[in-house]
Amino acid sequence: AQKVTQAQTEISVVEKEDVTLDCVYETRDTTYYLFWYKQPPSGELVFLIRRNSFDEQNEISGRYSWNFQKSTSSFNFTITASQVVDSAVYFCALRGLIQGAQKLVFGQGTRLTINP
Amino acid sequence: DTEVTQTPKHLVMGMTNKKSLKCEQHMGHRAMYWYKQKAKKPPELMFVYSYEKLSINESVPSRFSPECPNSSLLNLHLHALQPEDSALYLCASSQLLAGGTDTQYFGPGTRLTVL
Repeated sequence: AQKVTQAQTEISVVEKEDVTLDCVYETRDTTYYLFWYKQPPSGELVFLIRRNSFDEQNEISGRYSWNFQKSTSSFNFTITASQVVDSAVYFCALRGLIQGAQKLVFGQGTRLTINP
Repeated sequence: DTEVTQTPKHLVMGMTNKKSLKCEQHMGHRAMYWYKQKAKKPPELMFVYSYEKLSINESVPSRFSPECPNSSLLNLHLHALQPEDSALYLCASSQLLAGGTDTQYFGPGTRLTVL
């Protein structure tokens, strides 16, 4: 079975602080894909990143960075110098190549609040 | 352009009504999805259409009836819903690439209230 755990239900920080959202996953697939989505109050899920299981290189995009570690089955997301517009619910998701190839398995989400 | 559109944005219906949700994409994607999302929960997959054919039905009650008239359109027909069906209904699409490098892009959702 596939599973994604986001242990942090809610995080609240002051603007300009750095914040890391944790994501731990379980899968028996040797090839799989990990995703992060952002869901602002408007409701739309906005795609942020996809990472393949065979590519452990970390990625940085502006203030966003992702740390993928297969050894600990984690795919953590860091926002540097947070801004109020970063306030949203963030979902980590997993999709296997074999098991449920078309299904995204979502974590429970982390509600991030950035206070001015 | 990664735009998926959904109409209406909001819908209020009675338990005896029949209504439809509409989803549209013009990215040439060959897979389309319906999700249901309750408050403070992650999205739950309902249906998947691949190449305009229903490929996944996650044991959804028959009062929800999906339809894919063509590769760009996805409808969800609603009939005799219950108040617990009130939720945000999200549509998504993806290219259906070989090798698994497939990303789902979501629409803004329809917020449904059943009275």
